[in-house]
Amino acid sequence: QKEVEQNSGPLSVPEGAIASLNCTYSDRGSQSFFWYRQYSGKSPELIMSIYSNGDKEDGRFTAQLNKASQYVSLLIRDSQPSDSATYLCAVNRADSGAGSYQLTFGKGTKLSVIP
Amino acid sequence: DAMVIQNPRYQVTQFGKPVTLSCSQTLNHNVMYWYQQKSSQAPKLLFHYYDKDFNNEADTPDNFQSRRPNTSFCFLDIRSPGLGDAAMYLCATSRRGVTEAFFGQGTRLTVV
Repeated sequence: QKEVEQNSGPLSVPEGAIASLNCTYSDRGSQSFFWYRQYSGKSPELIMSIYSNGDKEDGRFTAQLNKASQYVSLLIRDSQPSDSATYLCAVNRADSGAGSYQLTFGKGTKLSVIP
Repeated sequence: DAMVIQNPRYQVTQFGKPVTLSCSQTLNHNVMYWYQQKSSQAPKLLFHYYDKDFNNEADTPDNFQSRRPNTSFCFLDIRSPGLGDAAMYLCATSRRGVTEAFFGQGTRLTVV
């Protein structure tokens, strides 16, 4: 059973601080990694994707990938109360057929940004 | 705007009464997925269609079926809903050659 593990939190950070979210995965053949944000009662919204080792920055968000350690992280700089949500790490399964992206999700980390 | 639309947003059904959830997309994506997400749990893939080809997950109960009559529409049928099937059901799409999956708003199913 391929798994994606996240600390469920809650993770509380003050407004303006850096929030650091972590994820490990077991499927060594996975090649695509995603972070989704999910507000309570809503569907997941894609915020970052990363495919190569290293860092990828998009605005206040930075995703980091280390395939050797099977580790993905998301940093949120200058955290805002509107960032308060559950962040889901998702990994594309290595056995996905060509052109389809069957995702294995973690349970998510609940982030709370305190004003 | 192009998008993935799920109907209804909220569905209440009786124990054992068949129910159908609907998903439509204007993105013209090849692949459509159905995920089940129970409270405080990870979304779990039930099955997906690659064009007309149906791909069932090994641990998806037989109680769950799906239909894709055309590129734009996909349906989730629950033949005999049990209390344990209460969840958010998420439809997602992706396009061949593009890695990202886009989700609809979800349908929250309550079984009474």
